[in-house]
Amino acid sequence: QVQLQESGPGLVKPSETLSLTCTVSGGSVSGGGAFWSWIRQPPGKELEWIGYIDYSGNTKYSPTLKSRVTISVDTSKSQFSLSLTSVTAADTAVYYCARQLWFRSCRGPTCSVGSWFDPWGQGTLVIASS
Amino acid sequence: QSVLTQPPSASGTPGQRVTISCSGGSSNIGSNTISWYRQLPGTAPRLLIHTDDRRPSGVPDRFSGSKSGTSASLAISGLQSEDAADYFCAAWDDGLNGVIFGGGTKVTVL
Repeated sequence: QVQLQESGPGLVKPSETLSLTCTVSGGSVSGGGAFWSWIRQPPGKELEWIGYIDYSGNTKYSPTLKSRVTISVDTSKSQFSLSLTSVTAADTAVYYCARQLWFRSCRGPTCSVGSWFDPWGQGTLVIASS
Repeated sequence: QSVLTQPPSASGTPGQRVTISCSGGSSNIGSNTISWYRQLPGTAPRLLIHTDDRRPSGVPDRFSGSKSGTSASLAISGLQSEDAADYFCAAWDDGLNGVIFGGGTKVTVL
């Protein structure tokens, strides 16, 4: 079964860049039909979707973070990575990577998007502080 | 403030049925499917329901999902002590062109 594991520094200084890597085992990021996503959860707050990448490198980012986020993929290592620039204390959160299943179903002019996350990595706490 | 609205808490005694609501709008729940997750303290969320009412293999049939219009619900029947956790809903939002989450509901087993 597919498993994901985040890795990276747990402490980042304000104004610097947060960098995390997610290693996928039991499966491959090269397979079609799935996106590879980053999600974060500030302490005591709700989950926030950051963005995703597919196996060919196509990305989609949350509009609120788009100017600071880059997600990349290394299919040879079965890894994908998150880079978040100019961090502030507001970026302190547990960061999760997850496989995102996504489909679009259309009936005539009406389309519906189905999207869910399974599985998730265990999460890694990143604190933005000097 | 979350775009998807959940009650902050819900509770029940062992064996009871508990229902959690998730309210959204026409750009998310009203036009796209919803998923539900359970998060035990200090752990990653786990998928319970996808595509409104589909249960992945391994999820007990005590968990069921439904949707009507711009609202959805997760029902837990035969409540067990292990069900004490936070529960989140999520959906694709056409306006955001991304995923949005509910604020979460903390379920307490009395």
